[in-house]
Amino acid sequence: EPEVTQTPSHQVTQMGQEVILRCVPISNHLYFYWYRQILGQKVEFLVSFYNNEISEKSEIFDDQFSVERPDGSNFTLKIRSTKLEDSAMYFCASSDERADTQYFGPGTRLTVL
Amino acid sequence: AQSVTQLDSQVPVFEEAPVELRCNYSSSVSVYLFWYVQYPNQGLQLLLKYLSGSTLVKGINGFEAEFNKSQTSFHLRKPSVHISDTAEYFCAVTNRDDKIIFGKGTRLHILP
Repeated sequence: EPEVTQTPSHQVTQMGQEVILRCVPISNHLYFYWYRQILGQKVEFLVSFYNNEISEKSEIFDDQFSVERPDGSNFTLKIRSTKLEDSAMYFCASSDERADTQYFGPGTRLTVL
Repeated sequence: AQSVTQLDSQVPVFEEAPVELRCNYSSSVSVYLFWYVQYPNQGLQLLLKYLSGSTLVKGINGFEAEFNKSQTSFHLRKPSVHISDTAEYFCAVTNRDDKIIFGKGTRLHILP
């Protein structure tokens, strides 16, 4: 069964450094999303992406964040200058043309020191 | 605006006993409803979903949920739980091609 994959599974970085989290959505999917889950808290929406542009973004998704689909398979989330409060589990999700169900990847745990 | 309320943050239940995890939602438009499960140190797995049609939906691992529009509820049930059901369960709501709004989660503890 096709799955969303994410790399790396765990990323440790120093405050102020740039990180890129990578996702490979399910191959025929058209809608892409990033969510995050701070430890012990609920899952929060960051951004949605369709037709090579951002569809919607949350208040969390400020100028330090960007997303890109550099080729036909990868979907990346970049944090330009990480802060301690960016430490969280980041989930990528995708859905097909019906856009009624999102399938999640296993997540990348980001630790900012 | 949409919102999801999971009334219980933790639910302890004995193995082989039935369980119900409660979820209420609010929305001004028609919604799609989901339950996701997160096993320890893992990602989010889709357990079941309601898009339309029959209000009783069946998911994986013997779980089912019932959509009740008048009570704006989507409670999750299992008639007999197993130790392997230990996980956090998230109720969620969305519209088509929209972001998912998650509840805060309910941690299911299975007691031997």
